[in-house]
Amino acid sequence: DSGVTQTPKHLITATGQRVTLRCSPRSGDLSVYWYQQSLDQGLQFLIQYYNGEERAKGNILERFSAQQFPDLHSELNLSSLELGDSALYFCASSVGGQGVGYTFGSGTRLTVV
Amino acid sequence: TQLLEQSPQFLSIQEGENLTVYCNSSSVFSSLQWYRQEPGEGPVLLVTVVTGGEVKKLKRLTFQFGDARKDSSLHITAAQPGDTGLYLCKGGSEKLVFGKGTKLTVNP
Repeated sequence: DSGVTQTPKHLITATGQRVTLRCSPRSGDLSVYWYQQSLDQGLQFLIQYYNGEERAKGNILERFSAQQFPDLHSELNLSSLELGDSALYFCASSVGGQGVGYTFGSGTRLTVV
Repeated sequence: TQLLEQSPQFLSIQEGENLTVYCNSSSVFSSLQWYRQEPGEGPVLLVTVVTGGEVKKLKRLTFQFGDARKDSSLHITAAQPGDTGLYLCKGGSEKLVFGKGTKLTVNP
């Protein structure tokens, strides 16, 4: 157990639907990062939050959004889902900024059918 | 975007062999991290290197950061099947970029 909790572990949904992925960071960590991993693209950075505020944005689609709540847990919302959104979605956390090592959760496997 | 290129992309070896994988960039990094990922799991941090020329050892794994802080290598001595996994490098930068990884298979 890494200390980073992601739910659900698996999610199967239809095209056009909306889903919410949840992440609880390791105790004491203020930063949360979301990554998408597919076979051909590797780990793609989506977005980072630090203590409730958006800190950095990567290749996140407009159909995707995220937020970090006062208790530091984070949610990634994916809407108007397409087949190509099928991937592993990872959350990671760290104590501080971007140069430190991350602790990853075990991911949410999203399958869009 | 600071791209990180990892090589080789795939490596399949026999137990007991030595191997080296590489992580290269055209940009300078303040630090660099190596992770190992097993199928269906999140990456696990192995090491962070910070100083140019730095060498860190973790049991049979030796990590080196290039003098110019643009590249790094990971050397595994006497590989074991438990070393099988995807090895990823990441630069400590605002771009939060990972390399695509080296998929290592160690056959018994």
